[in-house]
Amino acid sequence: KQEVTQIPAALSVPEGENLVLNCSFTDSAIYNLQWFRQDPGKGLTSLLLIQSSQREQTSGRLNASLDKSSGRSTLYIAASQPGDSATYLCAVKWDSNYQLIWGAGTKLIIKP
Amino acid sequence: ETGVTQTPRHLVMGMTNKKSLKCEQHLGHNAMYWYKQSAKKPLELMFVYSLEERVENNSVPSRFSPECPNSSHLFLHLHTLQPEDSALYLCASSQLAGGPGNEQFFGPGTRLTVL
Repeated sequence: KQEVTQIPAALSVPEGENLVLNCSFTDSAIYNLQWFRQDPGKGLTSLLLIQSSQREQTSGRLNASLDKSSGRSTLYIAASQPGDSATYLCAVKWDSNYQLIWGAGTKLIIKP
Repeated sequence: ETGVTQTPRHLVMGMTNKKSLKCEQHLGHNAMYWYKQSAKKPLELMFVYSLEERVENNSVPSRFSPECPNSSHLFLHLHTLQPEDSALYLCASSQLAGGPGNEQFFGPGTRLTVL
């Protein structure tokens, strides 16, 4: 069964720290993996999309890596800020259809 | 308007009411999606439309009825809902429904409360 797991469910760190969020998935034959951010009660904002042929993607202070062989992706956030506080979701597409399989998310709190 | 919009943003309804959720995408995409997000649970895909045809119905109860009159608009008609249907309903769109690399863009969601 294809599953996506995000651990920990919640994370609290002081402002300014660099941090890593984890996403693990069963079955390494993925098409792509996408990281999203969700603010409380709001919709999802796409942060980074990594194709199966890529190892990483970068956008500003965010860097997402992909290691298919180990079934892992990480989202690295540099110099964290209170505005980074949100829930971060990982979603994996395994085949050519539209289905995304979602993790339950990691709730991140950045303390001023 | 830009991106994906949803109305209303909040909805409270009784179990005997009939209401509709609306989604509109301004991205020129050809696929649209309805998701349900309940507390502490991963997103659940409900329906997918590709070029105005429904291509997925993930065992959703018939009290939820989708409608896609054109590639820019998607509705979710609600009737005789149950309290456990209270959730955040999210609409998304992508360029195409299938194939790799099709990034989904989400609306802000409708917070639904069923009394």
